[in-house]
Amino acid sequence: EAEVAQSPRYKITEKSQAVAFWCDPISGHATLYWYRQILGQGPELLVQFQDESVVDDSQLPKDRFSAERLKGVDSTLKIQPAELGDSAMYLCASSLVGRDSYNEQFFGPGTRLTVL
Amino acid sequence: GNSVTQMEGPVTLSEEAFLTINCTYTATGYPSLFWYVQYPGEGLQLLLKATKADDKGSNKGFEATYRKETTSFHLEKGSVQVSDSAVYFCALIRNTGGFKTIFGAGTRLFVKA
Repeated sequence: EAEVAQSPRYKITEKSQAVAFWCDPISGHATLYWYRQILGQGPELLVQFQDESVVDDSQLPKDRFSAERLKGVDSTLKIQPAELGDSAMYLCASSLVGRDSYNEQFFGPGTRLTVL
Repeated sequence: GNSVTQMEGPVTLSEEAFLTINCTYTATGYPSLFWYVQYPGEGLQLLLKATKADDKGSNKGFEATYRKETTSFHLEKGSVQVSDSAVYFCALIRNTGGFKTIFGAGTRLFVKA
């Protein structure tokens, strides 16, 4: 069964360092989502891509976070510099089409980030 | 704005007990409602959904009914198993120029043998 892949699964870094997370969606899924899940809370959308274009990044802290999906397939989320408050689970999800209709989102296992 | 409120956990039940996890929502218009489940070490999975008032979503013995009059979507299961231990998230989707999912905080369920 096709799955969303994420790496690394765990990342420990010191504040002010740069970190990057990678996501490979299910083949053929045009829409890709990055969520942040703080412990004890539900996932919050950071950025949504339709193919290689950003369609929603309203909750992305753009002074330190960046995301790209250059060829419309896999994606990278970067934080520079990392802050203590960035400690969270970062989830990637994908779906067939997400902008004009709803399709089920499939989630990866997440990357747990700890900032010391 | 749009929001989802779930009962706080953890919920601890014995095997074969009846489960209810409460979920209420605030939204303009008519959102679609969902329950997701997250098993330990895994990503979220869609459990069930309902797209309009009075719809009942069901899957794997779980059910939830979209109640517009009480703005609720409570999750129920008649007889839980140890394998149901997980975190359950209630969520809604509103079309605000793009479909955006709003999640509740999650409710952790422990089922004892």
